Amino acid sequence: QVHLVESGGGVVQPGRSLRLSCAASGFTFSDYGMHWVRQAPGKGLEWVAFMSYDGSNKYYADSVKGRFTLSRDNSKNTLYLQMNSLRPEDTAIYYCAKGASWFDPWGQGTLVIVPS
Amino acid sequence: EIVMTQSPATLSVSPGERATLSCRASQSVKSNLVWYQQKPGQAPRLLIYGASTRATGIPARFSGSGSGTEFTLTISSLQSEDFAVYYCQQYNNWPPITFGQGTRLEIK
Repeated sequence: QVHLVESGGGVVQPGRSLRLSCAASGFTFSDYGMHWVRQAPGKGLEWVAFMSYDGSNKYYADSVKGRFTLSRDNSKNTLYLQMNSLRPEDTAIYYCAKGASWFDPWGQGTLVIVPS
Repeated sequence: EIVMTQSPATLSVSPGERATLSCRASQSVKSNLVWYQQKPGQAPRLLIYGASTRATGIPARFSGSGSGTEFTLTISSLQSEDFAVYYCQQYNNWPPITFGQGTRLEIK
């Protein structure tokens, strides 16, 4: 059974950094692209970033480009999101999700709060 | 960027009745559209991909239709567990992957 567990969220001051992790199990992690999607409190879904199975392709939403960086360690079955220069508008639940064109399944999410 | 627009924002339906949710794309996405269901406090769950193919384990009362710019999610006979927020998402032309703003399906 596919299982994704995010961690690393918390309260961080504007301008500071945070690294999120997504631990995967139940499938061959190195065969799949992975995404991050976020959801601000009470709001809809916003795609954040994608990394291909081997890390050769990375795409970012304009809202995070230049501040967020994806990486993955296929030996540890883990995806990372390094978030720098955080802003209050980055406050959200961050979900990792398996897949290329769509997301299935999703992790339970980790909450990032950047107070204004 | 392809803009996805869902309607209505909120839909009130009685249990046992049919619900019809709409999603419109700002340009053609062919059949490259998915639907998700999200319940309070939970992550979204994939319902439909390729506009009309049910994901594994999704009950037959959920059906998707449409292509190009107009799409519909139909729930044929609403069960109590179906009251949730539903999102459409296109994957025809990305990045960025884009979502609709969601339709809240509530009990009438």
